[in-house]
Amino acid sequence: AQSVTQPDIHITVSEGASLELRCNYSYGATPYLFWYVQSPGQGLQLLLKYFSGDTLVQGIKGFEAEFKRSQSSFNLRKPSVHWSDAAEYFCAVALTGFQKLVFGTGTRLLVSP
Amino acid sequence: DAGVTQSPTHLIKTRGQHVTLRCSPISGHKSVSWYQQVLGQGPQFIFQYYEKEERGRGNFPDRFSARQFPNYSSELNVNALLLGDSALYLCASSSPGADEQYFGPGTRLTVT
Repeated sequence: AQSVTQPDIHITVSEGASLELRCNYSYGATPYLFWYVQSPGQGLQLLLKYFSGDTLVQGIKGFEAEFKRSQSSFNLRKPSVHWSDAAEYFCAVALTGFQKLVFGTGTRLLVSP
Repeated sequence: DAGVTQSPTHLIKTRGQHVTLRCSPISGHKSVSWYQQVLGQGPQFIFQYYEKEERGRGNFPDRFSARQFPNYSSELNVNALLLGDSALYLCASSSPGADEQYFGPGTRLTVT
């Protein structure tokens, strides 16, 4: 069965520092890959997605992610974190964009002054 | 355009009761999916409906049921509530051939 692993439960980053959140997936084929962000008490907002093509994808709010097939990874990065980036981040996979999403357990990002 | 809307925002129920949660998809979207997010976990897939038919079901007991109406809105019903059903219930809508699902703000269910 497909699964998604986000090994870091919490990460604390200083404001202005760079960020990398890790995501590994287990799937029979290259799935559709997504990163979502969830602020406290809110629903999920899509940051970026990957289906095929260029393995480095750009998203909203200055985020990017790189797909590495050999490592079954899809790590999220941001060169300079802002205090407003503090939230929970979820990696998700699906067979298509239309079908059910399988989520990781999430990484909570804390931003220190 | 309005996004996905869900009602109610919050509700509190007692063990053994039943609950109905409602979702209105984005205009033009014909598919609705339901997810359960327990505190500290990622969302888990419950159901997907497309054109009023169930297209997928996650690993949830029969106490969970759903339906989709001709206007593509949807209801999620949970019977015989357990404490473990306390969660944020998220609804997402999409169109066939679309490459993403759009989520609503969720309904926070507390079972006491």
